[in-house]
Amino acid sequence: AQRVTQPEKLLSVFKGAPVELKCNYSYSGSPELFWYVQYSRQRLQLLLRHISRESIKGFTADLNKGETSFHLKKPFAQEEDSAMYYCAHNNAGNMLTFGGGTRLMVKP
Amino acid sequence: DVKVTQSSRYLVKRTGEKVFLECVQDMDHENMFWYRQDPGLGLRLIYFSYDVKMKEKGDIPEGYSVSREKKERFSLILESASTNQTSMYLCASSPIIGGTYGYTFGSGTRLTVV
Repeated sequence: AQRVTQPEKLLSVFKGAPVELKCNYSYSGSPELFWYVQYSRQRLQLLLRHISRESIKGFTADLNKGETSFHLKKPFAQEEDSAMYYCAHNNAGNMLTFGGGTRLMVKP
Repeated sequence: DVKVTQSSRYLVKRTGEKVFLECVQDMDHENMFWYRQDPGLGLRLIYFSYDVKMKEKGDIPEGYSVSREKKERFSLILESASTNQTSMYLCASSPIIGGTYGYTFGSGTRLTVV
């Protein structure tokens, strides 16, 4: 079965520090991967997708097929980045499989 | 602004009750989904529907059923609520090639079964 693994349930960094949220997937084909974010008291929303190679709110994510990873990175974390982050993979049936989520806390 | 609307933000129900969670989308999306969100477990798919009156089981369908009589509405039914169904329930929708473009989520319904 396809799986998405986020090994860290909680990641705490200081403002201005670099941040990396890890995501690993298990899929033998060409994956379609996403990062979703849920800020406090807000709905889950799409942050970025790997096919568009975009940078949103300073975040980037690079697909590494060799390591089957899609880690989310930001060079300088801001307090407003504190949120729950989910990595997701689109399977062949156009359904998303989500990881367990990582809570990012950015301390002042 | 496109929207997925879940009718209740908070619900408290008693064990054994039949519970209806409603979700409406105004984007003319073909696909609709119900997930439950639990700490450490992420989002787990309960049921999804790719067309009116069509439904498919997700990863954890036991204890749930769904109804999609109209394209814009997708209902999740707990036939006999139990305490282990206490959770946050998220509805989502997507166009027919939804996986590529992502989902739009509702605000969620936090259900407590006592």
